[in-house]
Amino acid sequence: ETVLTQSPGTLSLSPGEGATLSCRASQSVNSRYLGWYQQKPGQAPRLLIYSTSSRAAGIPDRFSGSGSGTDFTLTISRLEREDSAVYYCQQYGSRQYTFGQGTKLEIK
Amino acid sequence: EVQLVESGGGLFQPGGSLRLSCAASGFTFSNDYMHWVRQAPAKGLLWVSGINGDASGTYYADSVKGRFTISRDNAKNTLYLQVNSLRVEDTAVYYCAKDKADSGSFDYWGQGILVTVSS
Repeated sequence: ETVLTQSPGTLSLSPGEGATLSCRASQSVNSRYLGWYQQKPGQAPRLLIYSTSSRAAGIPDRFSGSGSGTDFTLTISRLEREDSAVYYCQQYGSRQYTFGQGTKLEIK
Repeated sequence: EVQLVESGGGLFQPGGSLRLSCAASGFTFSNDYMHWVRQAPAKGLLWVSGINGDASGTYYADSVKGRFTISRDNAKNTLYLQVNSLRVEDTAVYYCAKDKADSGSFDYWGQGILVTVSS
């Protein structure tokens, strides 16, 4: 099973700043199969990024993804208060899907 | 508009069984892989199971193999999850999710249904 480790655990930033969230895999991940999700309290997760760097429908271009192999990054520019949420990375491989433990983003 | 609506949750006793349903609309259900993902209280997301479009292939997380069974009825546009030998640790919100083809990601999610296992 591929374990995904996200860092930092919590990130506290101000509106207008940029955020960099990291996702490290225990073994190489096919970049086609790496995604990122946003989850707000009491809501279902929402797909932000799929295939490492493609934005899902309706996702603003402030959200971008990059990476390869075992290291992947979600970057959020020009933070807004509505970006306050938990962010999860997720991968697929060998008929198994795994999620990272999440990064909590707080907007001051 | 894609909609996924789960049902069948509630309070269950340890050792019991349940069947969750997910009614799908707004897309060609039989074309898509579907999945169940759960989230224990104040915890992260855990993929539980997936099934391909014609139900010929089913996939499970190692932690639930043998107790969970995923199935679908394409005529009814409905996804199911049968859970047997319920454990307290099965307590979670269960989400059904639609697979985004060729990406390994889940592009639409239901609102989730709470399952509580307690004596």
